[in-house]
Parts: sequence; C-alpha cells; structure tokens
Amino acid sequence: NAGVMQNPRHLVRRRGQEARLRCSPMKGHSHVYWYRQLPEEGLKFMVYLQKENIIDESGMPKERFSAEFPKEGPSILRIQQVVRGDSAAYFCASSLLPTQETQYFGPGTRLLVL
Amino acid sequence: SQQGEEDPQALSIQEGENATMNCSYKTSINNLQWYRQNSGRGLVHLILIRSNEREKHSGRLRVTLDTSKKSSSLLITASRAADTASYFCATAPTNAGNMLTFGGGTRLMVKP
Repeated sequence: NAGVMQNPRHLVRRRGQEARLRCSPMKGHSHVYWYRQLPEEGLKFMVYLQKENIIDESGMPKERFSAEFPKEGPSILRIQQVVRGDSAAYFCASSLLPTQETQYFGPGTRLLVL
Repeated sequence: SQQGEEDPQALSIQEGENATMNCSYKTSINNLQWYRQNSGRGLVHLILIRSNEREKHSGRLRVTLDTSKKSSSLLITASRAADTASYFCATAPTNAGNMLTFGGGTRLMVKP
C-alpha cells in the first residue's frame, strides 16, 4: 500500500519559468492538502482540495499559484513565473476523510529557483 | 508570533539522556500533533493528543497537553543518535477547516 507520492523530488527552475508539482494521494484518499516549508521554518498551509473541488485556499498566494485535483490523476500545484522567494519544500498530505487528524505526508518536492 | 511555537529552537544532548521540547499556541484547538522530520526528508507523524486529553504515551514518547496554558510538551526518553531530527508541533485550530498549523520546530541533536 504505497504512501503519498510526490514528484519530482527536486525541481530547479529559472526565474520566470513555470513549476508543476504533482501529488498522488494514498490509495482511496480523496482529500489533499498542500503545505510549503521555507528553509529553517515550519510548514505553512496553502490549500485543501477534494476531488475536482478547492475547499480551502486561504493559504495560497493570490497570484501565480494555483492547485487542482482532477477526477483522474494526481493533484497539481502550479506556480507560474517563479521568483527566488518561491524556493522552498512543498509537501502534500492526504486523508481518507476530511480531517485535522491523520494526514499522511509525502516526501516533498524541493523547488530551487535560480 | 505564530500558532505552534516550539521551544527550544535547538537542543543538543548525549545519547541516553531525555529530551524535552515545548510547544505553545494561541487559539483553541481540536487536537495537537507532533511530527519528526529528518534532514531533507518528509514528515513522520509521531503522536496526536486531543483537546480533552492531558497525557499520552507511545513507546519512548510522552506528550502532555495543558489547554489552560495553551501548551504541550514532548518528552523523548533514553534518546538515541537516530532520534536526531527536527520536531514540529502542529495544532488543529477549531473553526479552521481541516488545516494544520505548524510551528518552527526544535532541532534535536543526539550525540553518540
């Protein structure tokens, strides 16, 4: 029973490029959460999605960032026109039910913007 | 300051000693969780304590929660070099949907 999978594990982009981060939740999980971790800091909530719906995007920057969780396929966090300040580790977590308990985290994608 | 602040920020101990980390928060919560993160890796869930619980044990881990003081502590007994990691508390605020709010973490180093 595979855990939460994220790819790529490492991503390097130049300023102005687009970054696409993918998250495959645990089997049977339909709730996905994205968090961002800046160096030497804790995780900050970004967005919570159910299949085909954004439920809570209160932590998402208003511009350049978007997230989706289509009916088929992984959840995607998309960052357009990346800037150096976007360099961080991006973690997704999934759960079977909507919950503040038992969120299973993936290994993260480390984005470096040059 | 933000919800879920850990104290100390860094802790260095010898193998076999106990390590205590504290977490303070500001709002009412449904539960509080502790996670471990090895350098450059993902998060591993350690233990969850609900708002109506005061103490919980799991192996060498002991967590306490004092909702009147809005604080929690994580005690790791008989530490091992493999316990070296960053430890984060995460609170589940009431009326905050399904998000977790993480603190800045305590970086624990256990010297062999």
